[in-house]
Amino acid sequence: NAGVMQNPRHLVRRRGQEARLRCSPMKGHSHVYWYRQLPEEGLKFMVYLQKENIIDESGMPKERFSAEFPKEGPSILRIQQVVRGDSAAYFCASSPRGQGEVAIQYFGAGTRLSVL
Amino acid sequence: KNQVEQSPQSLIILEGKNCTLQCNYTVSPFSNLRWYKQDTGRGPVSLTIMTFSENTKSNGRYTATLDADTKQSSLHITASQLSDSASYICVVSANGGQNFVFGPGTRLSVLP
Repeated sequence: NAGVMQNPRHLVRRRGQEARLRCSPMKGHSHVYWYRQLPEEGLKFMVYLQKENIIDESGMPKERFSAEFPKEGPSILRIQQVVRGDSAAYFCASSPRGQGEVAIQYFGAGTRLSVL
Repeated sequence: KNQVEQSPQSLIILEGKNCTLQCNYTVSPFSNLRWYKQDTGRGPVSLTIMTFSENTKSNGRYTATLDADTKQSSLHITASQLSDSASYICVVSANGGQNFVFGPGTRLSVLP
C-alpha cells in the first residue's frame, strides 16, 4: 500500500507562472488536506477536501490559490501568477475519515516550490 | 486567538538520555491534540493523538501527556537515539476537529 504520493518533489517557477501540485492519497482514503510550510516556520493549514467537495478552505489565500479533489485522479493545488512569497514546501495529507473522527493523517513528502 | 506554543525552540541531548518537550495551547473548543515527528525534508509522521478524556498515551519510546485544565501537553522521549533527531510538532484541533493549529515545533538534535 503506497503512501501519500506528491509530485513533483521540486518545482521551479518564474514570477507570474502557474504552479500545479499533485497529491495522490493513500488507497482507501477519501479525505485530503493541504498545508504550507514557509522556510523556518511551522506548517499552516490551507484546505480540507473530500472527493469532489471542499470542506474547509479557511486557510487558503483568497486570490490565486485553488484546490480540487475530483472523483477520479489526484487532488490538485493550483497557484496562479506565483510570487516570490509563494516559495515554500507544500504538504498533502490523507486520512480514511474526517478530522472530526480523530483520524490519523498520513503526510506525503511534500513539494518544494521555488519562485524565481 | 487560537495559538499553540512549544518549548524549547531547540534542544541538544546525548544519545541514551531522556528529554521532555512542552506544548501550551489556547485553542478552543478543544477537540484533540497530536504530536508529529518531522525529519528534515520529509513530511510529518503521527506519533500520538489524544482527546479531551485522555491524559497519557504512549508509542514505543514516546509518551505524550495532556492536561486539559491547564491546556498543556508534553512529549517525553526515553533512551534517545540518533534517529530521534527531528522537529517535533504539537498540533491542536478545534471545532470538532475541523481546524488544525500547528505549533512552531521543537528541533531536537541527538548527538553520539
